[in-house]
Amino acid sequence: DTGVSQNPRHKITKRGQNVTFRCDPISEHNRLYWYRQTLGQGPEFLTYFQNEAQLEKSRLLSDRFSAERPKGSFSTLEIQRTEQGDSAMYLCASSSPRGFDGYTFGSGTRLTVV
Amino acid sequence: KNQVEQSPQSLIILEGKNCTLQCNYTVSPFSNLRWYKQDTGRGPVSLTIMTFSENTKSNGRYTATLDADTKQSSLHITASQLSDSASYICVVRGGAAGNKLTFGGGTRVLVKP
Repeated sequence: DTGVSQNPRHKITKRGQNVTFRCDPISEHNRLYWYRQTLGQGPEFLTYFQNEAQLEKSRLLSDRFSAERPKGSFSTLEIQRTEQGDSAMYLCASSSPRGFDGYTFGSGTRLTVV
Repeated sequence: KNQVEQSPQSLIILEGKNCTLQCNYTVSPFSNLRWYKQDTGRGPVSLTIMTFSENTKSNGRYTATLDADTKQSSLHITASQLSDSASYICVVRGGAAGNKLTFGGGTRVLVKP
């Protein structure tokens, strides 16, 4: 296992289009997290899954955002009707039941909305 | 409110010099604290993780300290190299629910030759 994998690495889209990102966590990790990070800032929590259950959603996750983890393995984050303010790095992290001790980030997906 | 404040926001140092980054937190109760290095356009990579009972932990040229009484941590970079140019993020786990992560805004370090 090579760690947390995110695809695509970069995405440029026109305002109003829908985009979907994928995260493949470390195989034995049952917890998966999505974060958004803007330039010069730390990551901001978006949502968290334990297995296939979405246990927590941030207020940052507007109605245009939806995340799924249907089989408790990979996860997708979809943004509908993108806006320029959605431009950011979207980070995925996964952890074992030990939690923060085994917390690993992916390399992120850089979204640019033009 | 749980907060993590990092200072300075940015730092420029000459190659070969040392530097120290600061992290102050108000997260309570405290579980552990981790320093991450984040290269531009990449995800954060863990440098060290420190629990309540640990005062100092090293990872190569990186040394982290923790004072749980004053709720302060520092990351010291020894003999800086050009590859140390990155953002360094302090993350604290804890809070009432026990599992919340609170992120600092990071310190951007630029090492110049």
